[in-house]
Amino acid sequence: ELKVEQNPLFLSMQEGKNYTIYCNYSTTSDRLYWYRQDPGKSLESLFVLLSNGAVKQEGRLMASLDTKARLSTLHITAAVHDLSATYFCAVDPYSGAGSYQLTFGKGTKLSVIP
Amino acid sequence: ETGVTQTPRHLVMGMTNKKSLKCEQHLGHNAMYWYKQSAKKPLELMFVYNFKEQTENNSVPSRFSPECPNSSHLFLHLHTLQPEDSALYLCASSQERLNTEAFFGQGTRLTVV
Repeated sequence: ELKVEQNPLFLSMQEGKNYTIYCNYSTTSDRLYWYRQDPGKSLESLFVLLSNGAVKQEGRLMASLDTKARLSTLHITAAVHDLSATYFCAVDPYSGAGSYQLTFGKGTKLSVIP
Repeated sequence: ETGVTQTPRHLVMGMTNKKSLKCEQHLGHNAMYWYKQSAKKPLELMFVYNFKEQTENNSVPSRFSPECPNSSHLFLHLHTLQPEDSALYLCASSQERLNTEAFFGQGTRLTVV
């Protein structure tokens, strides 16, 4: 059974600071996704990482994937209040064609404080 | 707005009621999913439909019954639910593994009383 572990689960950080959220998974996969969820809202896709060494950046967020270590990171640079949300990583364990099924981590609830 | 629309947004039902959740996607995707999001558990995949055919049923109790009449619509029929079934139910859609992500609807917040 695929397990996806995120840490930390809760993160309170000051504006302007940097921090990294980690996502470890237990089985071979080269497909990892990061989502953001605001309270009462749906999940918004942030990054799609599809190969070892993939790195993607959008604004103050940068995601990377190391398939050999089974690890993805979401790095936050110079945090601002608007980044406060819950961040989920999700892993797709299947290769080849067919509909994909995601196993999600528990999420990291990020609060950015002034 | 992600192109995936769920109704209703909120639903309160008794344990003897029968209700249905609806999901509609306007993205031309061919795979649709139901996920359950509880307060203390990770998002759980419940059902997968690919080209209207159910391809996965992750040990979901029979009181949840999905229906996919076409690739744009997905239903979740509910009957004799338990209070522990109270959760946010999210619908998602995707292309068939063309290296793209799934798009999620806003969810239905279900409370079973």
